[in-house]
Amino acid sequence: DADVTQTPRNRITKTGKRIMLECSQTKGHDRMYWYRQDPGLGLRLIYYSFDVKDINKGEISDGYSVSRQAQAKFSLSLESAIPNQTALYFCATSASSGGAETQYFGPGTRLLVL
Amino acid sequence: KNEVEQSPQNLTAQEGEFITINCSYSVGISALHWLQQHPGGGIVSLFMLSSGKKKHGRLIATINIQEKHSSLHITASHPRDSAVYICAVRTGNQFYFGTGTSLTVIP
Repeated sequence: DADVTQTPRNRITKTGKRIMLECSQTKGHDRMYWYRQDPGLGLRLIYYSFDVKDINKGEISDGYSVSRQAQAKFSLSLESAIPNQTALYFCATSASSGGAETQYFGPGTRLLVL
Repeated sequence: KNEVEQSPQNLTAQEGEFITINCSYSVGISALHWLQQHPGGGIVSLFMLSSGKKKHGRLIATINIQEKHSSLHITASHPRDSAVYICAVRTGNQFYFGTGTSLTVIP
């Protein structure tokens, strides 16, 4: 079984709809991240969480919110989806180790906003 | 402004060739990562470097902290190495990613 899972893997939605992307991990890591990937732009950090009670904005947090329901679960919400949020979304986890930890990525969620 | 720049953007090689992908960054870092993204989209971490050189099988990664530069080398390339290779750096609590190098190895 995969250590980092994301649901759904693919999603089509309409402008204005609220959607949630979910991430679960079995690695026991304390740190979790949400990224989006757009062609030609590379991965960009949306939000990250270093602990259940710790939530931080990343480079491109506008239009998104997150919830860290438990150490193993980190959800990303689009309150009112817009077409330019069409992208590939990745969740990642890492264990804190003084700034030199490896990140483990989920399989990604392809989101299309019409 | 891109904190991480990779070159080349695209690379085609014949099977067996020695391949080099370069990464330059403009910020102070605590670590640099090389990632591999398969055609299906999945991302795998290959290396994490803070100094020197690491080797894993046919893959070698080097970093020069003073010059803010890293290279990923693939020896005896194989078609299964075809993927996008991404350089990422950590600075503080943020990760910055390059746009990737798309490698195609032809049999």
